[in-house]
Amino acid sequence: DAMVIQNPRYQVTQFGKPVTLSCSQTLNHNVMYWYQQKSSQAPKLLFHYYDKDFNNEADTPDNFQSRRPNTSFCFLDIRSPGLGDAAMYLCATSRGLDGDYEQYFGPGTRLTVT
Amino acid sequence: DQQVKQNSPSLSVQEGRISILNCDYTNSMFDYFLWYKKYPAEGPTFLISISSIKDKNEDGRFTVFLNKSAKHLSLHIVPSQPGDSAVYFCAASAYVSNFGNEKLTFGTGTRLTIIP
Repeated sequence: DAMVIQNPRYQVTQFGKPVTLSCSQTLNHNVMYWYQQKSSQAPKLLFHYYDKDFNNEADTPDNFQSRRPNTSFCFLDIRSPGLGDAAMYLCATSRGLDGDYEQYFGPGTRLTVT
Repeated sequence: DQQVKQNSPSLSVQEGRISILNCDYTNSMFDYFLWYKKYPAEGPTFLISISSIKDKNEDGRFTVFLNKSAKHLSLHIVPSQPGDSAVYFCAASAYVSNFGNEKLTFGTGTRLTIIP
C-alpha cells in the first residue's frame, strides 16, 4: 500500500543533543510537509518542500532544519532540542496539483526531551 | 492568533444519531476547507473537503456545510457509528500564488465519542 512512513515512532533525546526524524513516502507526491503538534493543540506547519523548493514558515525557530535529498525522503533536524520542543512531529505529503489539496499524513514521531 | 477554531473539545453522541461538529474561522481569504479524522497512535486521515464556491458537500454518511457569511463550517455524520469515535480536525487554506492551496491551518480538534 502506498503510504507515508515515519521513523522512529518514539524518540527520546537529551536537552541540547541534536536529533533527526525521518519521513518517507511511496506516493510519489511532489509536496512534503513537517508539522509540530503539542498536546491539545492544532498541528502547526513548520515548513514544506515543493519538489526541491524549501518553504519555511516565518515563525519556525532556526533550531529546526529540514532536508529533502530525493522525492521519497524528508528529514527534520532539531539542532539543539529544548524541553519546549517535546511534541508529536507529523510528516505529510500532497500531490501539489491545482484542485487536489488533500494531505496524507504519517503516524507521527513522538519526541521526548529529557 | 487562532485562525481556525473548534470551540468544543469533546462531544458525545448516541449511536445512530446525528453528530454535528463545528468549526469557525477568521481569515476571509480561506477558500478551501477540509475535515480530518484521527485515531490514537495514527496520523490524521482525510475525510471530506469543500471549496468556498459551494455551500454543501456530501460523501456517504458525511456532509460538510459551509456558511461563508458566518465564517462557519460544520461536519454532519449520520447515522453515527462506534467506529466514528476519534478526534476530528477542521483545516482551512487560502490560495497563494506559487503555492496554490498547499498550506493548511488546523483547528485544535474535537474528540467525538459515540455511545453504543
